Amino acid sequence: NAGVTQTPKFQVLKTGQSMTLQCAQDMNHNSMYWYRQDPGMGLRLIYYSASEGTTDKGEVPNGYNVSRLNKREFSLRLESAAPSQTSVYFCASSGTVDEPQHFGDGTRLSIL
Amino acid sequence: AQSVTQPDIHITVSEGASLELRCNYSYGATPYLFWYVQSPGQGLQLLLKYFSGDTLVQGIKGFEAEFKRSQSSFNLRKPSVHWSDAAEYFCAVGHAGNMLTFGGGTRLMVKP
Repeated sequence: NAGVTQTPKFQVLKTGQSMTLQCAQDMNHNSMYWYRQDPGMGLRLIYYSASEGTTDKGEVPNGYNVSRLNKREFSLRLESAAPSQTSVYFCASSGTVDEPQHFGDGTRLSIL
Repeated sequence: AQSVTQPDIHITVSEGASLELRCNYSYGATPYLFWYVQSPGQGLQLLLKYFSGDTLVQGIKGFEAEFKRSQSSFNLRKPSVHWSDAAEYFCAVGHAGNMLTFGGGTRLMVKP
């Protein structure tokens, strides 16, 4: 039962470097999401994909891009990392509207 | 716009004592409401959800929550806390496109 798999689990970058976070789900879900988690702020939506071939901005999209590669995979890219992007990143997926989101274990990203 | 407030950032209870975590939401329509739990270094696990019907919902691990429309609340309760319940708890409201808006979280500590 893999569910939602995120890679890598940890990463340290230097300011200005680029990085792609990978996410894959095996539940045949249509919708996928990227969140960032910062202390005291809960999870904030960066981007989401309601279905294969579509992506939309969430609450905090600046500095990020996404690609819905196929139904299973949804990647998040930092083109030029900044210290303010130090955070824990979570990928999630969901099926129908009355089905809750399922989360991966997160990627802990530090930018120096 | 939708929002979720969890007024208590930290709560400490003794093992065996009862627990109530508060959640207030702001949403124009009938909400979908969720409680998630996050153990250290882990992703989010769904505890319970409210979509419609009975306003008292039962979840996993002995948790329950009550939806009170008049108070815009969805408080989480457990009659007797176990040491393994120490974690961070997030309330969320679901809205268009099966998206979630999260509260800032409540960190629960359990005293032996």
